[in-house]
Amino acid sequence: GDSVTQMEGPVTLSEEAFLTINCTYTATGYPSLFWYVQYPGEGLQLLLKATKADDKGSNKGFEATYRKETTSFHLEKGSVQVSDSAVYFCALSPSGAGNQFYFGTGTSLTVIP
Amino acid sequence: DGGITQSPKYLFRKEGQNVTLSCEQNLNHDAMYWYRQDPGQGLRLIYYSQIVNDFQKGDIAEGYSVSREKKESFPLTVTSAQKNPTAFYLCASSIASGAYEQYFGPGTRLTVT
Repeated sequence: GDSVTQMEGPVTLSEEAFLTINCTYTATGYPSLFWYVQYPGEGLQLLLKATKADDKGSNKGFEATYRKETTSFHLEKGSVQVSDSAVYFCALSPSGAGNQFYFGTGTSLTVIP
Repeated sequence: DGGITQSPKYLFRKEGQNVTLSCEQNLNHDAMYWYRQDPGQGLRLIYYSQIVNDFQKGDIAEGYSVSREKKESFPLTVTSAQKNPTAFYLCASSIASGAYEQYFGPGTRLTVT
């Protein structure tokens, strides 16, 4: 079945370091891919998305490219800030109507000054 | 401002009692969802509704019930049959089910003792 696998955390980085959070997926057809961010005690917020192969989603300095050949959607940011500390979720929505989302288990990021 | 509201933010109940969590959206979205989140884990789908007066079970529906009498409202009842009800519950909505981003509410933390 469809699924998402993302790297386990927690991840701890110093401010201004480069961030990569790996996400790979298993799906038939052409799913849409998403990254969500969750700050402590809050709901999830959409960070970025890509709906077809080779699309690059970007927002607030974060980027992810939909790679069909490697079934990946890795999240990157060139210079993290303390305010980026949160849990990041990769998610997949299979193609076609009526399908549910599949979320990864989340990766906790802590950025230290 | 359009969005999703969940109330209350914190809820405490005694074991054996049913409890209903509220979810309201003013985004005019057709689809609504309930997820459960446990510490260090991803999101698990409880129920979802693609349209008024219709809903489907998700991966962990046992011990839960829902209704969808109005487009903007999708309450979740946690019954006494749910073995481990203590968790963080998240409600979400999307324009339609399928490959559309989901918008999340702030969540309700339920503690059952």
